[in-house]
Amino acid sequence: AQSVTQPDIHITVSEGASLELRCNYSYGATPYLFWYVQSPGQGLQLLLKYFSGDTLVQGIKGFEAEFKRSQSSFNLRKPSVHWSDAAEYFCAVGASNAGNMLTFGGGTRLMVKP
Amino acid sequence: DSGVTQTPKHLITATGQRVTLRCSPRSGDLSVYWYQQSLDQGLQFLIQYYNGEERAKGNILERFSAQQFPDLHSELNLSSLELGDSALYFCASSALDSSPYGYTFGSGTRLTVV
Repeated sequence: AQSVTQPDIHITVSEGASLELRCNYSYGATPYLFWYVQSPGQGLQLLLKYFSGDTLVQGIKGFEAEFKRSQSSFNLRKPSVHWSDAAEYFCAVGASNAGNMLTFGGGTRLMVKP
Repeated sequence: DSGVTQTPKHLITATGQRVTLRCSPRSGDLSVYWYQQSLDQGLQFLIQYYNGEERAKGNILERFSAQQFPDLHSELNLSSLELGDSALYFCASSALDSSPYGYTFGSGTRLTVV
């Protein structure tokens, strides 16, 4: 069974600073990896996804993530954080098997200091 | 607007009662997934339907049931409600019977059991 760990429950960064949110996964084969963002009172919005190919993927809102198979990681990065990025971020892993659902990490809550 | 519609947005009910949550998937999507989000359990997969048939079950209690109708909308029925069932319930949809492209989430139904 697949699993996802997001080691940081809370992260606070200053506006304009760079950001990296950590995600480690466990899955026997090549995973499909996702990052979602959830603003307060909202549903989850897909930021980016990795299937195969280039291990550095670009997403919406200036985010990118890098798949590192050797480290079983899929960390999310942004070079310069904006106050509007304050939200909860979820990493998820899935697979191509029929009936296979996404498994989510516990989330990282990002706070942005002015 | 993600294209996935969930109603109602908020629901307050008493212990022991039964409620029905409704989800209309994004146009063209055949799969519907239900997730429960609570503070202590995070995002937990409940159940998936694909084109009217149950495809996968997660940590869904026996007091909970779901179905997907011919028009592809889905309902999640929660009965004999307990205080611990208070949570945000998300519906998500995807075109395929698996997760490789990620899901589109609705904005959720917040259930409060008093």
